Amino acid sequence: EVQLMESGGGLVQPGGSLRLSCAASGFTFSNYGMSWVRQAPGKGLEWVAIISSSGGTTYYADSVRGRFTISRDNSKNTVYLQINSLRAEDTAVYYCAKKGIAVSNNHWFDSWGQGTLVTVSS
Amino acid sequence: EIVMTQSPATLSVSPGERATLSCRASQSISSNLVWYQQKPGQAPRLLMDGPSTRATGIPARFTGSGSGTEFTLTISSLQSEDFAVYYCQQYNNWPLTFGGGTKVEIK
Repeated sequence: EVQLMESGGGLVQPGGSLRLSCAASGFTFSNYGMSWVRQAPGKGLEWVAIISSSGGTTYYADSVRGRFTISRDNSKNTVYLQINSLRAEDTAVYYCAKKGIAVSNNHWFDSWGQGTLVTVSS
Repeated sequence: EIVMTQSPATLSVSPGERATLSCRASQSISSNLVWYQQKPGQAPRLLMDGPSTRATGIPARFTGSGSGTEFTLTISSLQSEDFAVYYCQQYNNWPLTFGGGTKVEIK
């Protein structure tokens, strides 16, 4: 059974930083691209970033490019999201998600974690 | 950026009735679209891994269609567990984008 467990969220002041982690199990982690998707309170889903299975390729939403960095450690079955220069509008539940197909250009997600809440407030 | 527009925003349906949800792309995305279901307090769940392909374990009352810019998700006979928010997502272009969601509520 695929399991994705996010951690690292919390309350942070504007301009602050956090590193989110997502520990994966139940599948061959190094074969799959991974992504982060966020959801502001009461709002819809917003894709944030994605990383290829090897970690060599990343893409970002315009709203976070330059402030957020996605990375992975295949030896630890973990994907990370370093978030810097936080703004109030970054307040959201951050989900990690596993790509549905191991090696493909089909960037959709068949498994999601339960999310970790990031609150940006002074 | 491809803008995904879902309509209606809210759909009030009685159990056992049919629900039809629409998703429109601002430019052609071929068939590069999926649907998710999200219930309150839960993570999204993959519903359709293509315009007309149900994901593993999804019941046959869920059907989808469309290509290009117009897509439809139909729930043939709503069950209590189907009341949720539904999102479409395109993966034809970067950035990946989601629609704003359609909330299916009990009438």
